[in-house]
Amino acid sequence: GAGVSQSPSNKVTEKGKDVELRCDPISGHTALYWYRQSLGQGLEFLIYFQGNSAPDKSGLPSDRFSAERTGGSVSTLTIQRTQQEDSAVYLCASSRTIGGQPQHFGDGTRLSIL
Amino acid sequence: GESVGLHLPTLSVQEGDNSIINCAYSNSASDYFIWYKQESGKGPQFIIDIRSNMDKRQGQRVTVLLNKTVKHLSLQIAATQPGDSAVYFCAETLNQAGTALIFGKGTTLSVSS
Repeated sequence: GAGVSQSPSNKVTEKGKDVELRCDPISGHTALYWYRQSLGQGLEFLIYFQGNSAPDKSGLPSDRFSAERTGGSVSTLTIQRTQQEDSAVYLCASSRTIGGQPQHFGDGTRLSIL
Repeated sequence: GESVGLHLPTLSVQEGDNSIINCAYSNSASDYFIWYKQESGKGPQFIIDIRSNMDKRQGQRVTVLLNKTVKHLSLQIAATQPGDSAVYFCAETLNQAGTALIFGKGTTLSVSS
């Protein structure tokens, strides 16, 4: 597609449930990033994928968070046993390999944990 | 840890005025800087970027200035319009693939007619 696509746009779930968030990057972009944005805050880096290399997971806040990227394209961010502090907007970005910047963002998934 | 900060959380201007949004960064190793605009319910939208080997870059109605001596970045918007109302974020990183952007908290720009 023309831009980064994320789904669902909104997700409401109960504390303790698992959730999966999806990101479809811009066609031809090999780098994919996940960020989290809490209310009124800037973006916090979570994880980065580049081709078939091992992902950079240095930003994941706990082992309840994981992500995968299948076929070098679509990525899924999974949060297990959700907690109320996980409520935030989860944003995905992609960029070209060469140069690596700028990163282009999707509109995010707004996650609310009840 | 090191992070990018902004001088003012909010900025209110009249339509037609020029706007200046400021940002201070702390990582001397950063060599790439970028401004994003974020409207309510949307993801950040790329506005303009600049590499550390430059001190000024112009786009359409926007100019980014970089002062490496005092580690300061600014975004100038000429002839501000109501459609410019949004939250503006600066971010820094190393100019290479695989490096995460470090964001500041953002400045909310309000433009009144």
